[in-house]
Amino acid sequence: SYVLTQSPSVSVAPGQTARITCGGNNIGSKSVHWYQQKPGQAPVLVVYDDNDRPSGIPERFSGSNSGSTATLTISRVEAGDEADYYCQVWESSSGDLVFGGGTTLTVL
Amino acid sequence: QVQLVESGGGLVNPGGSLRLACAASGLSFTDHYMSWIRQAPGKGLEWVSYISSSGSTTYYADSVKGRFTISRDNGRNSVYLQMDYLRAEDTAMYYCARDRLGISSWPTGGMDVWGQGTTVTVSS
Repeated sequence: SYVLTQSPSVSVAPGQTARITCGGNNIGSKSVHWYQQKPGQAPVLVVYDDNDRPSGIPERFSGSNSGSTATLTISRVEAGDEADYYCQVWESSSGDLVFGGGTTLTVL
Repeated sequence: QVQLVESGGGLVNPGGSLRLACAASGLSFTDHYMSWIRQAPGKGLEWVSYISSSGSTTYYADSVKGRFTISRDNGRNSVYLQMDYLRAEDTAMYYCARDRLGISSWPTGGMDVWGQGTTVTVSS
């Protein structure tokens, strides 16, 4: 089965840039989606198709995807960005939806 | 108001059954893949199952295959998850979510609308 690997945690100071990575075999050939989940809340889609943003998501959120790593970049980090972030793909060979294990973003 | 509302969760004995429902309102439903995703306490997101817009295509995670059944009623704007032979490891918050793309061959668009979830606890 296809596996997506995320670092458990990332810490960044307010105003700095946070980069959250998602590793997978040839992930660059897949469309990667990113979700933000705050405690006690449902996930929210923040980036789809590698680097597009749904309406209402700040431009500070962006993504990239190449080779074996996809990256969610959050610029000018704010305290309100503190949350768990998950990457997700659809794996065509099995038909499965796959989530990464999640990364907790801490704003120092 | 755009929303998905899950219901049907609760406490059930191991080996028992539950049927979850997810009702959509204020959003396009019938053209979209729908998924169930769960989250065990303190853990990450785990995909459970999805169903195509017509209901003709369904997929399941290996962990639930043969025990859970997904279905939908487009006339009622609802999707369901029948859960049988429940185990302690099925204890989780269960979310339904809509795939962003309409009229799609596969659920490749990312999930743009999520419900608030319903809690399932499997314990004696």
